[in-house]
Amino acid sequence: ETGVTQSPTHLIKTRGQQVTLRCSSQSGHNTVSWYQQALGQGPQFIFQYYREEENGRGNFPPRFSGLQFPNYSSELNVNALELDDSALYLCASSFGTSGGYNEQFFGPGTRLTVL
Amino acid sequence: AQKVTQAQTEISVVEKEDVTLDCVYETRDTTYYLFWYKQPPSGELVFLIRRNSFDEQNEISGRYSWNFQKSTSSFNFTITASQVVDSAVYFCALSEVNSGGYQKVTFGTGTKLQVIP
Repeated sequence: ETGVTQSPTHLIKTRGQQVTLRCSSQSGHNTVSWYQQALGQGPQFIFQYYREEENGRGNFPPRFSGLQFPNYSSELNVNALELDDSALYLCASSFGTSGGYNEQFFGPGTRLTVL
Repeated sequence: AQKVTQAQTEISVVEKEDVTLDCVYETRDTTYYLFWYKQPPSGELVFLIRRNSFDEQNEISGRYSWNFQKSTSSFNFTITASQVVDSAVYFCALSEVNSGGYQKVTFGTGTKLQVIP
């Protein structure tokens, strides 16, 4: 059973560019959540995808968008990058149901630097 | 709105000392879950424990123990006989299930623990 993987590990972009981060969920998991962790802070919830649909979102602008594919892997897209988007982006997968708690397993993260 | 407060930003202890990491949370829900995660320098979040709001029993796992007190909305974490390998950032987190059915996890700002040999 493979764990959650993310690519790339590190990424450097310039302000105004667009970026796509990828996450492969753990085998058997149908839910993916994305978090942004700025330096020295705790992870902040961006959004969650369940069975290919976004079913929850934190306080992030629309330029943060995502996709979930039939194999439950996921992408996080960020348009018009700003300096404050520099952070560690974490993906977490779980086996989701309609409610209740579902344990999340985190990937190693993608470190994004915006210059 | 849910909130998690970890007032201790950084703690340094000498190896073999005991250390307690504090966590205070706020929520309006009656059903919720609390967690502790460890984040070593590599960046990956390592799950340590989950506790649901109906289970106030304290738990011990090896050198780790957790004290959940609903009356004070606290979920503190104690490491006994600390070791250098315990050096990391520790996050307390709170999970609620919203009306939309999704699970939102709110993390504290973390406590950086340094264990000095």
